[in-house]
Amino acid sequence: GAGVSQSPRYKVAKRGQDVALRCDPISGHVSLFWYQQALGQGPEFLTYFQNEAQLDKSGLPSDRFFAERPEGSVSTLKIQRTQQEDSAVYLCASSSKDRALYGYTFGSGTRLTVV
Amino acid sequence: GNSVTQMEGPVTLSEEAFLTINCTYTATGYPSLFWYVQYPGEGLQLLLKATKADDKGSNKGFEATYRKETTSFHLEKGSVQVSDSAVYFCALSDRNNFNKFYFGSGTKLNVKP
Repeated sequence: GAGVSQSPRYKVAKRGQDVALRCDPISGHVSLFWYQQALGQGPEFLTYFQNEAQLDKSGLPSDRFFAERPEGSVSTLKIQRTQQEDSAVYLCASSSKDRALYGYTFGSGTRLTVV
Repeated sequence: GNSVTQMEGPVTLSEEAFLTINCTYTATGYPSLFWYVQYPGEGLQLLLKATKADDKGSNKGFEATYRKETTSFHLEKGSVQVSDSAVYFCALSDRNNFNKFYFGSGTKLNVKP
């Protein structure tokens, strides 16, 4: 597609509920990233995929967070047993080239509110 | 470690005023530096970048110069417009780990007509 698409745009979850957030990267982009952006803060790295391989998951805050990209295109970020501190905007980004030189293309994000 | 520090906002300016948003960084390696902009309800968009010392990134009238001696990458624009109202993020990518970007906390710019 023309850009990185994320769905849903907004998600309200009750505490303890499981949620799944979807990311469709730009077609052909082999690298995919998830970031978490708390209110009033900059994005913080969660995890990175190259094709279907999850090469870095050091930013996932707990074992309740799980990401997958089984066919090297669409990715899903799953949060189990959501807590209030999980409330944030979850950003997906993709890149086809050297990130250090060209940066990422970001989606509009999914705003998760845990009540 | 790697980190980025930005001036706190919000910054409120009148149209056609001069803009400076300060950004300083610490890095373990030799980073590439970026400015991203986030308009309301939208994702982050790359505004400009610089990959080595003394490089000047520029786009849409915005400029920033990579200053290794002061570890800074300040964003400037000579004459802001109402349409520039957004949140601006400074970021770095360490060449030792291309897979992570480190972002500042963002600076909100409000431009009044």
